[in-house]
Amino acid sequence: DTGVSQDPRHKITKRGQNVTFRCDPISEHNRLYWYRQTLGQGPEFLTYFQNEAQLEKSRLLSDRFSAERPKGSFSTLEIQRTEQGDSAMYLCASSLVNTIYFGEGSWLTVV
Amino acid sequence: AQKITQTQPGMFVQEKEAVTLDCTYDTSDQSYGLFWYKQPSSGEMIFLIYQGSYDEQNATEGRYSLNFQKARKSANLVISASQLGDSAMYFCAMREGLGSSGSARQLTFGSGTQLTVLP
Repeated sequence: DTGVSQDPRHKITKRGQNVTFRCDPISEHNRLYWYRQTLGQGPEFLTYFQNEAQLEKSRLLSDRFSAERPKGSFSTLEIQRTEQGDSAMYLCASSLVNTIYFGEGSWLTVV
Repeated sequence: AQKITQTQPGMFVQEKEAVTLDCTYDTSDQSYGLFWYKQPSSGEMIFLIYQGSYDEQNATEGRYSLNFQKARKSANLVISASQLGDSAMYFCAMREGLGSSGSARQLTFGSGTQLTVLP
């Protein structure tokens, strides 16, 4: 499979715990994006990497959120001290030129 | 103002018939791209079709075509010969400021249209 892959697909965590999601983009795609989607809404942009550089961050990305792409390949999104409002699907996407391809998403439930 | 507006929260279509999902957009950029994605209940966002603002022809991909009317700022998705597997949420999205530098602005999504194909 050469699509965008995300892990884990589902995560249930207690409030206050830290969680980390991983994204492996399509090979050779230098651009990587993280989005968040809540039920009944379209995805909302969180952050964008070009190679290893994080070039853009949304105001939605609070101090508890951090994203990395250390070698310009896979990326991680960490949420510290999770809150119930963090419950959502976290989508990763990658692109080379214009078209952006998404992964299957990581569902987070904070209880 | 909303950048992407999808006015149909839900649509029903009979199997084998065609259906049009509406999308209007708002931008002051000259260079932009319009996308349609399909999201089944499993959650994956599946790319369907892309239209660049300078493309003179309407984009087509198999049973999907994009009715691009630049002056009206609309980019409706037409699905021909609907199948039961087409039942899903459909999102219209826009990427502004593509420009010659290839700057990778993020996608802005509409609120989606839930399509149900009836047997």
